[in-house]
Amino acid sequence: SYELTQPPSVSVSPGQTARITCSGDALPKQYAYWYQQKPGQAPVLVIYKDSERPSGIPERFSGSSSGTTVTLTISGVQAEDEADYYCQSADSSGTLFGGGTKLTVL
Amino acid sequence: QLQLQESGPGLVKPSETLSLTCTVSGGSISSSSYYWGWIRQPPGKGLEWIGSIYYSGSTYYNPSLKSRVTISVDTSKNQFSLKLSSVTAADTAVYYCARQQQGYCSSTSCYALGNFDYWGQGTLVTVSS
Repeated sequence: SYELTQPPSVSVSPGQTARITCSGDALPKQYAYWYQQKPGQAPVLVIYKDSERPSGIPERFSGSSSGTTVTLTISGVQAEDEADYYCQSADSSGTLFGGGTKLTVL
Repeated sequence: QLQLQESGPGLVKPSETLSLTCTVSGGSISSSSYYWGWIRQPPGKGLEWIGSIYYSGSTYYNPSLKSRVTISVDTSKNQFSLKLSSVTAADTAVYYCARQQQGYCSSTSCYALGNFDYWGQGTLVTVSS
């Protein structure tokens, strides 16, 4: 079955750039979406259609796509960015999520 | 502002059916632009898509849950519902309802489902005797 693969964890110091990847064989042909989830809260959409940013999402969040990998980049990471991040894309039956990446701000 | 609110029992016995309802306010569930979905998250684990429904009743289900899942819509009440049968402890999770954008067509394929943009706060359902 189709899967989206994310690293379990990424660590970065404040002010640095965090890059979270999501890999899937069908990603060259499909859009990816990214969500941020903080403890006890519902997920929040931070990137849609690979690189579009919803209104209200800080400019430090950006997305890109290259081949079978999409990347969420957080520039100038702040303490408040510490959260779990999930990618989502389509498959033949509907949609699916990646396993999630815990971003730790050191 | 669109709001979604999950409701239903917080405790379900093994082998029984889990039933949840999502009430949509601040917008119409009959909009032609959106699907309405259910997503769950077991404690300490990741997100799992359960299924999505269009206001007309058209549905998409996660193949791993399809045999046990029914999602329905009641446009007169601006609600959609989830039923998951024969539950076990593995079905213990926070269940979210969410609005889902329609998908798109690429040069080679069409995909019905897009991103989730509005979420409910989630409700914890525990399966235990």
